[in-house]
Amino acid sequence: AQRVTQPEKLLSVFKGAPVELKCNYSYSGSPELFWYVQYSRQRLQLLLRHISRESIKGFTADLNKGETSFHLKKPFAQEEDSAMYYCALSGAGSYQLTFGKGTKLSVIP
Amino acid sequence: KAGVTQTPRYLIKTRGQQVTLSCSPISGHRSVSWYQQTPGQGLQFLFEYFSETQRNKGNFPGRFSGRQFSNSRSEMNVSTLELGDSALYLCASSLGDSRSYEQYFGPGTRLTVT
Repeated sequence: AQRVTQPEKLLSVFKGAPVELKCNYSYSGSPELFWYVQYSRQRLQLLLRHISRESIKGFTADLNKGETSFHLKKPFAQEEDSAMYYCALSGAGSYQLTFGKGTKLSVIP
Repeated sequence: KAGVTQTPRYLIKTRGQQVTLSCSPISGHRSVSWYQQTPGQGLQFLFEYFSETQRNKGNFPGRFSGRQFSNSRSEMNVSTLELGDSALYLCASSLGDSRSYEQYFGPGTRLTVT
């Protein structure tokens, strides 16, 4: 069975501090990993996809198959980063997403 | 381009009733997925439709069903509503082929069962 674990429900950091949102997964095969973000009163939207290896809004995420992790990182947090972050996975070629429970990031000014 | 739209946005139903929710995908998108979001279980996949065919199904009872029309619009139906069906129901659309797996989410329909 596939599973995504986000161990922190809430993460508070000061503006300018580094941020790391943790995500671990369980999947037999080669998954595709995503980070979705939901800002206050906005829709859920894609932030990052592991296969694209992009940096979006200063965020990066590296897939570590040995540790089955896909942690989201940003070197300097901004107030506008405050949001709910969801890690998700799908099987290769599938549109069925399995989500973690989410981590609420609060950036303190 | 216009985003994913869902109607209605809010709904209150009584136990035992049935409900139909609607989702209009982004123009050109042929895949529509449905998710249930609750505080306890988080976001859970219900099903995905592509070109009017159910392509994937999550682990929900048969009371939950869906369909997709030729214009890619989709509906989901929940019969014999239970209190535990109270949730935010999200739909997401995507191209549906290997060009992109990005899913675009709608604002959701908030269903309350009393």
